[in-house]
Amino acid sequence: DVKVTQSSRYLVKRTGEKVFLECVQDMDHENMFWYRQDPGLGLRLIYFSYDVKMKEKGDIPEGYSVSREKKERFSLILESASTNQTSMYLCASRNWRSSYEQYFGPGTRLTVT
Amino acid sequence: GQNIDQPTEMTATEGAIVQINCTYQTSGFNGLFWYQQHAGEAPTFLSYNVLDGLEEKGRFSSFLSRSKGYSYLLLKELQMKDSASYLCAVRRTGGFKTIFGAGTRLFVKA
Repeated sequence: DVKVTQSSRYLVKRTGEKVFLECVQDMDHENMFWYRQDPGLGLRLIYFSYDVKMKEKGDIPEGYSVSREKKERFSLILESASTNQTSMYLCASRNWRSSYEQYFGPGTRLTVT
Repeated sequence: GQNIDQPTEMTATEGAIVQINCTYQTSGFNGLFWYQQHAGEAPTFLSYNVLDGLEEKGRFSSFLSRSKGYSYLLLKELQMKDSASYLCAVRRTGGFKTIFGAGTRLFVKA
């Protein structure tokens, strides 16, 4: 079974703090993704990485950065958290050679106060 | 522009059949996914259609018409555990991006 894990299920941070969200997958997938999920808006792509040290902006990258130093780990960084970044954050991975579906982690519900 | 539309909520009865529709307008199309997401959990893959027609997988079937920009997910013999959100998503050509709809919350009642 593919397993995607995220460092925290729930996180509460203060405005202005630097926040790190970690994602680890155990299936040697090349592609990894960070989404945020908000009611009525669905999943929106923040950043994705098609391989180690490679990254591309998604549809809503403002206020976020990412790091992919190792194949299994993809980190999302909020440089200075703001209240409008309160959301559910989902990480996903995919093996683009053998399948197209994405495997999702359980999500991190981030609240910025 | 890019847009994926699906109903916000649906209610159906245990044992019945329900059809969840999805229409899309995207710049480039390379397949359509359906995912299931139970409350508080990760989305899980249900189906992927790249050609027109019906794909059946147990109690779940998915249909695609590329010319109409239309898909549906058909759930038969509904069970209480099918209460979840169902996400329609389009894979775009020329890249790695998948665009997700807002999801349809399905309530199955006894």
